[in-house]
Amino acid sequence: DSGVTQTPKHLITATGQRVTLRCSPRSGDLSVYWYQQSLDQGLQFLIQYYNGEERAKGNILERFSAQQFPDLHSELNLSSLELGDSALYFCASSPGQYQETQYFGPGTRLLVL
Amino acid sequence: GQQLNQSPQSMFIQEGEDVSMNCTSSSIFNTWLWYKQDPGEGPVLLIALYKAGELTSNGRLTAQFGITRKDSFLNISASIPSDVGIYFCASEGDWETSGSRLTFGEGTQLTVNP
Repeated sequence: DSGVTQTPKHLITATGQRVTLRCSPRSGDLSVYWYQQSLDQGLQFLIQYYNGEERAKGNILERFSAQQFPDLHSELNLSSLELGDSALYFCASSPGQYQETQYFGPGTRLLVL
Repeated sequence: GQQLNQSPQSMFIQEGEDVSMNCTSSSIFNTWLWYKQDPGEGPVLLIALYKAGELTSNGRLTAQFGITRKDSFLNISASIPSDVGIYFCASEGDWETSGSRLTFGEGTQLTVNP
């Protein structure tokens, strides 16, 4: 158990819909990272927040957005969902913002039908 | 963008055999990490390397951060059935060019036959 929690574990929805994935970092960690894992793209970095502020951005689609709240939990919002958005979405956390070991949560499996 | 080339893609071995896998890149990285992922689960950190040339062990696992900072290997000795899974290398580059994002290799699928 990494100490990072993610909800829900599974999510099934339809194209065009909007979903919110939630992540609680390990106790004391200030950074939260979001990754997408799909069969054809592997594990891809989406975005990082540190202490409530956006720190780094990867290949995150404009339809996707994230935020980190004062209690340090984070939410990833996915809108106008497409079939290709079906993937595993992982959250990771670390104490600081750079050269810190990242610990991953169990993931949310999203299926868009 | 930065890419990690991980090999082999898959390995089928007998219990008790040693395993070696590696990652290379054309870019210099400041951190090399090795993760293991079981089906439907998140990646679990095995070993973290922060200095060029660093050699670190974790039980039957040994990993090294290449001197050129462009490669790393992971060895597993005396494999057991629970070693089955997908092993990923991951790296963190220069803060100014890539921030603290991890770049992942394609993974090595390990199968251990009892």
